Amino acid sequence: DVKVTQSSRYLVKRTGEKVFLECVQDMDHENMFWYRQDPGLGLRLIYFSYDVKMKEKGDIPEGYSVSREKKERFSLILESASTNQTSMYLCASSLGQNTGELFFGEGSRLTVL
Amino acid sequence: GQNIDQPTEMTATEGAIVQINCTYQTSGFNGLFWYQQHAGEAPTFLSYNVLDGLEEKGRFSSFLSRSKGYSYLLLKELQMKDSASYLCAVKNQAGTALIFGKGTTLSVSS
Repeated sequence: DVKVTQSSRYLVKRTGEKVFLECVQDMDHENMFWYRQDPGLGLRLIYFSYDVKMKEKGDIPEGYSVSREKKERFSLILESASTNQTSMYLCASSLGQNTGELFFGEGSRLTVL
Repeated sequence: GQNIDQPTEMTATEGAIVQINCTYQTSGFNGLFWYQQHAGEAPTFLSYNVLDGLEEKGRFSSFLSRSKGYSYLLLKELQMKDSASYLCAVKNQAGTALIFGKGTTLSVSS
């Protein structure tokens, strides 16, 4: 059974803190993605990666960075969290060079106070 | 760039048929996806269209017209468990990522 696991379901952080959101997939997928989901705005792409150590900016990369040191793991980093980064963060993966079906993790709900 | 439009909310009754529309503008078309997302859960894949026409999968069907930049998801014999958000997504120009619409929340009542 395919599995995308996000390390934390719920996090509460303070403004200015550095935040790490971890995502691991066990399907040997090449592609991994980070989205955030907000009411009325839908899913918006932050960053994605199609290979180890490779990364591409999505539509809203400002305030975020990513790391992909191993194929199965894709981390989203908030260098200095701000209240407007309070959101649901969804990690996804897909197989192959041309992105196909996405498999999503359960999501990490981040609240920045 | 890309722009994807779908209605914000729809309501329907059990046993009915509902059609959720999606229109898109892209600088290059590489395929269109539909996902279902129940409240508090992750999105799950429903369908993928890259050629014009209708793809049927049980109670759910998806249609694509590339010339019109238009797709719809058709749900038949609606059940209460079909209450969810339905997300339309298109591949970006490079085919490397999916760009999502804002989603349509469907409420099914008895």
